[in-house]
Amino acid sequence: IVMTQTPLSSPVTLGQPASISCRSSQSLVHSDGNTYLSWLQQRPGQPPRLLIYKISNRFSGVPDRFSGSGAGTDFTLKISRVEAEDVGVYYCMQATQGPWTFGQGTKVEIK
Amino acid sequence: EVQLAESGGGLVQPGGSLRLSCAASGFTFSSNWMNWVRQAPGKGLEWVASIKEDGSEKYYVDSVKGRFTISRDNAKKSLYLQMNSLRAEDTAVYYCARSTLRIFDIWGQGTMVTVSS
Repeated sequence: IVMTQTPLSSPVTLGQPASISCRSSQSLVHSDGNTYLSWLQQRPGQPPRLLIYKISNRFSGVPDRFSGSGAGTDFTLKISRVEAEDVGVYYCMQATQGPWTFGQGTKVEIK
Repeated sequence: EVQLAESGGGLVQPGGSLRLSCAASGFTFSSNWMNWVRQAPGKGLEWVASIKEDGSEKYYVDSVKGRFTISRDNAKKSLYLQMNSLRAEDTAVYYCARSTLRIFDIWGQGTMVTVSS
């Protein structure tokens, strides 16, 4: 399954919203009814960190300014008000059908 | 605290071998699938291999099949990646990641592997 993210770069003003789109080449609905679409954040020089799992569930400790939505093949990560610590690269990832695959990454930077 | 710590990376010549390790702490290691994910310099993330809780199932990305072997020792709470016949394109930071019901929820800091003559 090919995961395609847009945009690849997103310059954002502090306090303003940001949105990242992720599209899969086929439906991510698993036979068990779940959709295994996650969002990961990678800050500069750091390992990836789980933000969102199964489309819209925030992982432990993730601020509520992060939200995920979507269904089937189209998914979105939104940051309601970008903060300086949100700078980094964001990846979508699917674990519905092997091999697990990632989007190319979207770089969020401050204008 | 739940933690994963990789080790074993380094510089190796093309065609050489390397064994990566990942030490787990703070959770019941034997209850989770474990994974290796890599990131070439300046590039995105690529899933490499996964292993079931008891080691009975293993899966690999096509590009490493027949060259890499994932394994685990639940008594030692450790995950391994034996890498043989290494190529320049295997150069990357290798991350160990825990998965819970297909969710990659905990990641290590990574270990760098450089394949170069």
